[in-house]
Amino acid sequence: QSALTQPASVSGSPGQSITISCTGTSSDVGGDEYVSWYQQYPGKAPKLVIYDVIDRPPGVSYRFSGSKSGNTASLTISGLQAEDEAEYYCFSYRSDRTWVFGGGTKLTVL
Amino acid sequence: QVHLEESGGGVVQPGRSLRLSCAASGFTLSSHGVHWVRQAPGKGLEWVAFISQDGNNKYYVDSVKGRFTLSRDNSKNTVSLQINNLRVDDTAIYSCAQDLGNYMDVWGQGTTVTVSS
Repeated sequence: QSALTQPASVSGSPGQSITISCTGTSSDVGGDEYVSWYQQYPGKAPKLVIYDVIDRPPGVSYRFSGSKSGNTASLTISGLQAEDEAEYYCFSYRSDRTWVFGGGTKLTVL
Repeated sequence: QVHLEESGGGVVQPGRSLRLSCAASGFTLSSHGVHWVRQAPGKGLEWVAFISQDGNNKYYVDSVKGRFTLSRDNSKNTVSLQINNLRVDDTAIYSCAQDLGNYMDVWGQGTTVTVSS
């Protein structure tokens, strides 16, 4: 049950856009539309920012968007702000009725 | 206000057991499945287990199968995670989260489990 693959870190300047990838297999990311993304600040509980690949929960900024192509899902944050600096995790349902997180990506706003 | 609170963590020796609890307030936990997620010190999130709304379906990550057991008491709005034969690599913050359809919405702040001799 290997974790989904995410880049360890990404960075961008305020106002820019960044994309975080999440690569799995046809048994998880590529198998259905159950990919979600979580934002986590140090010492805090994760917060849902995207669910079902592309949907945004109420209260989450429109600057957060999700997509998927094949076995790779992506989270894009546009108009980067200092408050976006955090750890981001993807999460997917698997066909064996388990779930799996990505390894996490640290976003640095320069 | 919807809220989940975990309890039951502590410092234990390898091979011992702990029972973690997840209590809901502000909403009916029995209407939802519940995930348990752990985060080892300095590490990422790891999905550990899931129990369905009615408690009839339970799923676990391979590394905990046979040692971790989920249960729920819908009359008390709680879910429990029994952890047996604890190992050093079980050391982590354990959090419960409400399932809304293969994703997690409400999260607790977690309870710390430290396994050390």
